[in-house]
Amino acid sequence: DIQMTQSPSSLSASIGDTVTITCRASQGIKNYLVWFQQKPGKAPKSLIYAASILESGVPSKFSGSGSGTDFTLTISSLQPEDFATYYCQQYSIYPLSFGGGTKLEIK
Amino acid sequence: EVQLLQSGGGLAQPGGSLRLSCAASGFIFSNYDMNWVRQAPGKGLEWVSNIGGRGSSAYYADPVKGRFTISRDNSKNTVHLQMNRLSAEDTAVYYCASANRGENWGPGTLVTVSS
Repeated sequence: DIQMTQSPSSLSASIGDTVTITCRASQGIKNYLVWFQQKPGKAPKSLIYAASILESGVPSKFSGSGSGTDFTLTISSLQPEDFATYYCQQYSIYPLSFGGGTKLEIK
Repeated sequence: EVQLLQSGGGLAQPGGSLRLSCAASGFIFSNYDMNWVRQAPGKGLEWVSNIGGRGSSAYYADPVKGRFTISRDNSKNTVHLQMNRLSAEDTAVYYCASANRGENWGPGTLVTVSS
């Protein structure tokens, strides 16, 4: 099974900051990685798939990169609506697996 | 507009059963794998099960293997999750999601297993 390790598990940032979240797969997954945003009480929302492709309607302040085992999600110019929990997920091999999540909080 | 409407869920006793359903609209249902993902209270996301577009393949996470069964009815654009031999560890919000990359998600339904 592929383990997805996300870091940090929590992150405190200010409005206007740029932050980066990392996700590491325990074995190579090519670019079969998706990033989700989840707000309390809501379903996850896909932001980026295939490691770097922005979902339709997602602002370009979100960007993803990486391939193989190491991936990053960068969020620029943080706004209040960006404070949420972010998850990575690999969809290369069953069982599909998620990272543990990164809770982004306002400083 | 893509919609995934979930039904089922609720309270079950340990050892009991529940059936979740997810009705899809706004896309060609049979072209898409469907997945169930769960989230225990205050915890992260956990993939549960997948079914291929034609229903000929299914995969399960180890914790649910042998207890849960995923199925789909492409004539009704619906996917189901039959959950048997439930335990407290199955308490979670269950989401259905389209495609393995989680393109679209249902709103979730709470399953509580308690005596």
